[in-house]
Amino acid sequence: NAGVTQTPKFQVLKTGQSMTLQCAQDMNHEYMSWYRQDPGMGLRLIHYSVGAGITDQGEVPNGYNVSRSTTEDFPLRLLSAAPSQTSVYFCASAGGESQPQHFGDGTRLSIL
Amino acid sequence: EDQVTQSPEALRLQEGESSSLNCSYTVSGLRGLFWYRQDPGKGPEFLFTLYSAGEEKEKERLKATLTKKESFLHITAPKPEDSATYLCAVRLLGGGATNKLIFGTGTLLAVQP
Repeated sequence: NAGVTQTPKFQVLKTGQSMTLQCAQDMNHEYMSWYRQDPGMGLRLIHYSVGAGITDQGEVPNGYNVSRSTTEDFPLRLLSAAPSQTSVYFCASAGGESQPQHFGDGTRLSIL
Repeated sequence: EDQVTQSPEALRLQEGESSSLNCSYTVSGLRGLFWYRQDPGKGPEFLFTLYSAGEEKEKERLKATLTKKESFLHITAPKPEDSATYLCAVRLLGGGATNKLIFGTGTLLAVQP
């Protein structure tokens, strides 16, 4: 029972590089979200999706893109990495609007 | 501005010493309040959902309660394995982000044997 799977677990990038953080869930959940977690701050919503083909911006969307072509996958793209994007990124999914979110174990990203 | 505040930031307890963690919120409308546990290097793990004032939920040594302005996570006779960061999150009523949660910064709990 995998739940929410995030890859890679760790990544180091140089400023200006691009990359995609992968997120997959096997619970057939419609709702998926991306958060970043920084020291001293709560988890902040980057982008979210309420179903395949539907995405919207969260609290801190700048510098990130998402797409949702299938129910299972919700990748997060960094277009041109900046040091301010150094963080731990969590993907979450939920079975419905009022259901609790289930989180992956995160991707730890460092931008040099 | 919608805000969630958790206190204390850190709490050290002796094994068996009961205590409570606080989550206070000021939001335009509450759709639900969630408690999560987060272990180092892991993602948050869901514990409880509370929807209305007066509601209580229990799981092993943990009990969560909700009032109109705050929630408490009571830990009875804690064990070292209860050591973790406990996160509180509020889902807002209405608005465009129907699945949007606002998280507090967490309480780091350490239970010493």
